[in-house]
Amino acid sequence: QQPVQSPQAVILREGEDAVINCSSSKALYSVHWYRQKHGEAPVFLMILLKGGEQKGHEKISASFNEKKQQSSLYLTASQLSYSGTYFCGTEPNRDDKIIFGKGTRLHILP
Amino acid sequence: GAGVSQSPRYKVAKRGQDVALRCDPISGHVSLFWYQQALGQGPEFLTYFQNEAQLDKSGLPSDRFFAERPEGSVSTLKIQRTERGDSAVYLCASSEVSGGKTDTQYFGPGTRLTVL
Repeated sequence: QQPVQSPQAVILREGEDAVINCSSSKALYSVHWYRQKHGEAPVFLMILLKGGEQKGHEKISASFNEKKQQSSLYLTASQLSYSGTYFCGTEPNRDDKIIFGKGTRLHILP
Repeated sequence: GAGVSQSPRYKVAKRGQDVALRCDPISGHVSLFWYQQALGQGPEFLTYFQNEAQLDKSGLPSDRFFAERPEGSVSTLKIQRTERGDSAVYLCASSEVSGGKTDTQYFGPGTRLTVL
């Protein structure tokens, strides 16, 4: 079951914050977040495993609510380099294949 | 070190032709994945190798699609008798650990296949 990402697209000014959500109808073991710029490879951001943990990397962090089968990606004080399409990938059980959402397009204006 | 590389980057084929897409994973990475990415969509799983063993090919859309990794490093995805619906970007990813699919996957830049 493909996870649902929201919003589909968002436009921000540099310095503003953004939240991207990823929801699944199935119980999840892990959530993977990637960013892809046009014509380039998806770049790994972080993996969250079940347990409600939150991870952070500089100004990008994420949470995983196992009970709600949801994950959110938080982009703080966005930079121009954050522009791209963000994909969440969900894994129902350990060692299942990752199922990616349709992506959220983020565009940062100067 | 070098990342995942794929060749060719672009491939144009006439309908009915066979194509072969190559993936060079990061050296030493045990796991290798192939994905298909349609325009405006997320990557969709095709198949998974652990070393030379193809452990999951449940995502291959038909028997026209075939993947191999004979020596546990380089992999080739072959599509026989291509159809217009096969047009997509084919992404390869590798991961370091042999613990299955729950590990960081490093993606290559992809091969954009256009079938005319």
